[in-house]
Amino acid sequence: SQQGEEDPQALSIQEGENATMNCSYKTSINNLQWYRQNSGRGLVHLILIRSNEREKHSGRLRVTLDTSKKSSSLLITASRAADTASYFCAYNAGGTSYGKLTFGQGTILTVHP
Amino acid sequence: SQTIHQWPATLVQPVGSPLSLECTVEGTSNPNLYWYRQAAGRGLQLLFYSVGIGQISSEVPQNLSASRPQDRQFILSSKKLLLSDSGFYLCAWSAPGQGGGETQYFGPGTRLLVL
Repeated sequence: SQQGEEDPQALSIQEGENATMNCSYKTSINNLQWYRQNSGRGLVHLILIRSNEREKHSGRLRVTLDTSKKSSSLLITASRAADTASYFCAYNAGGTSYGKLTFGQGTILTVHP
Repeated sequence: SQTIHQWPATLVQPVGSPLSLECTVEGTSNPNLYWYRQAAGRGLQLLFYSVGIGQISSEVPQNLSASRPQDRQFILSSKKLLLSDSGFYLCAWSAPGQGGGETQYFGPGTRLLVL
């Protein structure tokens, strides 16, 4: 299957710094989403950006989408130790992939207090 | 509000034994339902999805099967487990009638260890 690719695979920062994670994909998409997973838990939806949008904000989160480059980035500003988690991008490719999301491999973020 | 339940939370099973994992959703009707598997430190692999009772689509041919006997119940099964079936199994739902792949809401997951 056409999985999304994320980089970096792991990111370690100090509290208060910004964290940027990137996601690339290979098909045309309807939307792209970002999820967060704390260790051993289910995923929590963070933000959805549609293919006709270029930037979206939610609290300390900023997501950008560049459909010409087939890439997206998630920026977490003023990070906190509680932001430590794995972050996944997921996209819906539309067409016959009704309702289905393809997930990237994730970025493990560690925020040191 | 909507909630999604999975059980059991943890399961240790011998190779060759059967499997039944259950997922139920409350507070919504006719949801789209999904089963994913996550290997350690990896992304999610979609196993099955369902848009209605008795309607199951399989994404990856393997040792597992899924059923949807009721509107808000989704079951993952196996007749004989393999070592490679070990992993973290996640159930998710999304709102019905959404052709654009809208937000999915995940359950807490079941950690399966096959020995």
